[in-house]
Amino acid sequence: AQKITQTQPGMFVQEKEAVTLDCTYDTSDQSYGLFWYKQPSSGEMIFLIYQGSYDEQNATEGRYSLNFQKARKSANLVISASQLGDSAMYFCAMRVLTGTASKLTFGTGTRLQVTL
Amino acid sequence: KAGVTQTPRYLIKTRGQQVTLSCSPISGHRSVSWYQQTPGQGLQFLFEYFSETQRNKGNFPGRFSGRQFSNSRSEMNVSTLELGDSALYLCASNGQANTGELFFGEGSRLTVL
Repeated sequence: AQKITQTQPGMFVQEKEAVTLDCTYDTSDQSYGLFWYKQPSSGEMIFLIYQGSYDEQNATEGRYSLNFQKARKSANLVISASQLGDSAMYFCAMRVLTGTASKLTFGTGTRLQVTL
Repeated sequence: KAGVTQTPRYLIKTRGQQVTLSCSPISGHRSVSWYQQTPGQGLQFLFEYFSETQRNKGNFPGRFSGRQFSNSRSEMNVSTLELGDSALYLCASNGQANTGELFFGEGSRLTVL
């Protein structure tokens, strides 16, 4: 079974500063994918970034980067130059890549508040 | 390219009723999965359909069911509604078998009174 742990229920960051959201995972599978999603108050889950377990380089997407440390089983999200619109819930998720199923296991989320 | 479309966005039902939610995936995507989100349990996987076949199922009672049509649109049904079924129901579509992101819709927010 897979497990995702997000230990920060809430985080505050000032506008234009960088912030790191923590995520650790647990799986016995060797092939897996790690995802970060943003969920604003509207409810939609917005895909931010993806990291495959065999990817040697950390994933980056614009202001988002994923700090992947496989030995420590961590996949922290780094948001650079925070904006007010970044205020939302952030979820880390995992998907095992063996087989064809698409099931995601989610963490409990971190609520990020960006302040002026 | 249209995203994932879920209908209805909001609905209110009473205990004992049933509800059907609809999800249209991104054009060309054949996999649709459903998730339930509640404040107490977080995001939980319900089931996944691929080419009209259920290929994965979460740990939910039989009152929760779903199906997928030949055009990849999916419906989920909850019968004999309970207060605890109040939740945001999210649908996701995936065009790639084993890699890449899942694209989510805006969800259907169900309130059971």
